[in-house]
This record gives sequence, C-alpha cells and structure tokens, in this order.
Amino acid sequence: KQEVTQIPAALSVPEGENLVLNCSFTDSAIYNLQWFRQDPGKGLTSLLLIQSSQREQTSGRLNASLDKSSGRSTLYIAASQPGDSATYLCAPHSGGYQKVTFGIGTKLQVIP
Amino acid sequence: ETGVTQTPRHLVMGMTNKKSLKCEQHLGHNAMYWYKQSAKKPLELMFVYNFKEQTENNSVPSRFSPECPNSSHLFLHLHTLQPEDSALYLCASSQDVGGPQYFGPGTRLTVL
Repeated sequence: KQEVTQIPAALSVPEGENLVLNCSFTDSAIYNLQWFRQDPGKGLTSLLLIQSSQREQTSGRLNASLDKSSGRSTLYIAASQPGDSATYLCAPHSGGYQKVTFGIGTKLQVIP
Repeated sequence: ETGVTQTPRHLVMGMTNKKSLKCEQHLGHNAMYWYKQSAKKPLELMFVYNFKEQTENNSVPSRFSPECPNSSHLFLHLHTLQPEDSALYLCASSQDVGGPQYFGPGTRLTVL
C-alpha cells in the first residue's frame, strides 16, 4: 500500500523567499507524480506532473524534481508571493494500483 | 475550474435523506473519479470510472452509490448517511487512468 508523507506540515515565510516542499512515498514503482495546490474549501489545481522517466519539471516559478528510486520528490518555489499561500499536495500514481495516493499536504503561508 | 463542475457546492442533509451529487467534465476525458476529503486526513479515493465502467471501488460503504451514465457525467447517490460522512467530496477527470487529473471545486456535505 502506497503511503505519502509531506514535510513540513506547515510553513510560514516572508514574501520573496525561495522555499522547498518535500514529499516521500513508500512504493517507488510509480507511473507518475503530480503536485497540486488547494485553496481553503476548494478543489485542487494541478501544478506539475512528472513522469516516472523524468527527473524534473518546471512551470514558471515552480520546479518539481523526482528521485523515484529513493521515493522522494521536491517542489521548489522561487521568489514566493502572498498569492502562493495554499496547501500543496503531492500525489504519486502507483501503476500497480491504477490510482493516485495523496499526502496530507504542506500548508504554506507567505507573509507580505 | 470550469473544466470540471460540481453541483451542489454545499449540501446539508439528515441521516434519513436521499440526495445526489453531480459532476460534469467538459474536457473530453475518459476517466472520472470520486474522492472524499475529511478534515486533517489525506484525500481518499472512492471510485474510478473508465469509459463509463467502474474500475475501482475502494471499499466504500454501500450508502454511497456511484453512477456514470456517460464519460462526461458522474453522480454520487447518497442515502442513510452518518455524521462522519460529512466532508468535502471532490470529483476529478483525466484523459485516461494514468494521466494528470483535473479536479472540480467540490461539494461540502454536512450530515446532521
């Protein structure tokens, strides 16, 4: 059974800082891994998807890396902004189970 | 958010009521999903449909009954729910079961 851990659980940083969110998963036989953000009481917005054969993906100020063999992924946010405040969720897709497993997420607050 | 819509956005029901949640995707995807998100817990996959056929039932109690009449619509029929079923219910879709998932805004369900 896939288990996902996200560290830290919460993070508060001043605007402009670069930051790293960590995700670890127990079953390295993944198909891909997706990062989402969730605003309070709302649905999830897809940020980046990394295929199992890829090492990283970039979108604007976001960069996600994947080390499948060690069961880890990181999301790097450059020059953080107050609008980045949200909960960030990591979700590896385990091909064997044909489903996505979510972590509890990292709640980020960027202070102006 | 407009790619996947969910109605109603909020629902309050008694334990003896019968209600239905609706999800519609306008993305031409073939796979649709129901997730449950409870406070301080990871998203839990409930059901997966691929080309209108149910491919995953994650040990969900029978008081939750899904229906997928076509690839664009997904329903979750609710009856005799318990207060612990109160949660945010999220619908998602993807081009195929292995692809990136796109989420709707969710239905906030409260069972009294």
